[in-house]
Amino acid sequence: DAGVIQSPRHEVTEMGQEVTLRCKPISGHNSLFWYRQTMMRGLELLIYFNNNVPIDDSGMPEDRFSAKMPNASFSTLKIQPSEPRDSAVYFCASSLISDNTEAFFGQGTRLTVV
Amino acid sequence: SQQGEEDPQALSIQEGENATMNCSYKTSINNLQWYRQNSGRGLVHLILIRSNEREKHSGRLRVTLDTSKKSSSLLITASRAADTASYFCAWDSWGKLQFGAGTQVVVTP
Repeated sequence: DAGVIQSPRHEVTEMGQEVTLRCKPISGHNSLFWYRQTMMRGLELLIYFNNNVPIDDSGMPEDRFSAKMPNASFSTLKIQPSEPRDSAVYFCASSLISDNTEAFFGQGTRLTVV
Repeated sequence: SQQGEEDPQALSIQEGENATMNCSYKTSINNLQWYRQNSGRGLVHLILIRSNEREKHSGRLRVTLDTSKKSSSLLITASRAADTASYFCAWDSWGKLQFGAGTQVVVTP
């Protein structure tokens, strides 16, 4: 398996624009996580899905953020409208739902909002 | 970070020395995990310790867990320059995986 695949790797956009980040989890994994990493706030869990269903979105910072998982092999994180403070590295990770399993991370999307 | 802390924030050691970092969390957990992140890359899983375990070894890694104190430690023995990275603990609360702030480790030859 190619691992968790995120796209794009880098995104530069202007304030007010819509941004869509994409993630393809490892085949067979049924849990998917979105994280945001910044120097100030560290690695924050934004939302996670089990079997394509959002379980906990309490980490989503505002209504400008939304995430979907239409099927087991694809998820998106959308920011609309984007703001400079959204600049960060966004990671997607996947795992198997069971006791005591590890998460596998993608390489991340570095988002810069100017 | 979310409901937990790590210390130290940064650690600088020489090759051959041991590196110890600590993690505290606030919730009930199924397990606690440690990850490594090289600059600009994604996180890579190192080791997992279950809530009913107290100590676990994997190669040069030793992890302890004290659920009564809600704390864990990671020991890297005989460090190498290639161990230079950031290390994060993560606590799994019934599928919800949250991370500490991380410890930046620099190992000089």
